Amino acid sequence: QKEVEQNSGPLSVPEGAIASLNCTYSDRVSQSFFWYRQYSGKSPELIMSIYSNGDKEDGRFTAQLNKASQYVSLLIRDSQPSDSATYLCAVNKRGSARQLTFGSGTQLTVLP
Amino acid sequence: DAGITQSPRHKVTETGTPVTLRCHQTENHRYMYWYRQDPGHGLRLIHYSYGVKDTDKGEVSDGYSVSRSKTEDFLLTLESATSSQTSVYFCAIRGGTGDSPLHFGNGTRLTVT
Repeated sequence: QKEVEQNSGPLSVPEGAIASLNCTYSDRVSQSFFWYRQYSGKSPELIMSIYSNGDKEDGRFTAQLNKASQYVSLLIRDSQPSDSATYLCAVNKRGSARQLTFGSGTQLTVLP
Repeated sequence: DAGITQSPRHKVTETGTPVTLRCHQTENHRYMYWYRQDPGHGLRLIHYSYGVKDTDKGEVSDGYSVSRSKTEDFLLTLESATSSQTSVYFCAIRGGTGDSPLHFGNGTRLTVT
């Protein structure tokens, strides 16, 4: 079992729709969860951090965390073509340097 | 981009040659990381550093070594490059508390022929 799993996609949604991206993790004591966006040929860019159960909203983005189910998701409302990218889920790993473990990413395409 | 500079941005080298990639930060952060990114594998940790001269291995460290003689610089060395090390390499830094996110440099695209 991978430590962090994401649906590889690709996921296509029409412009203006809600895009839903999902991530599960295996280490039950993970504490910090992050979503990164990566455009083709670019570096990952942090878009959301979440540390507590529940929802966290930032503009059109909402991160949802359920530690009991070991599940974290990202919702993108009013999707725009500029949201087309690969979205990476990352979970902190226990250890002295708290390095992050990444999922393989979900490729999202927003169709005009 | 969070004060992180990677060099070179692109490099082509031959199998068996040594290669050093450099990561330079201006944030004075304690933690620095080297990841590689390959299709189908996502980002995988090679080595990381938690202070000057303090480094440790990640999940894919074979064939790689690192050094950190100054807070601002973290070097990744491929002692004898192989074609399997063709990849995009990202440096990342982390500051603040133990739960802070990573911030990435622009990456180095390495091709080993």
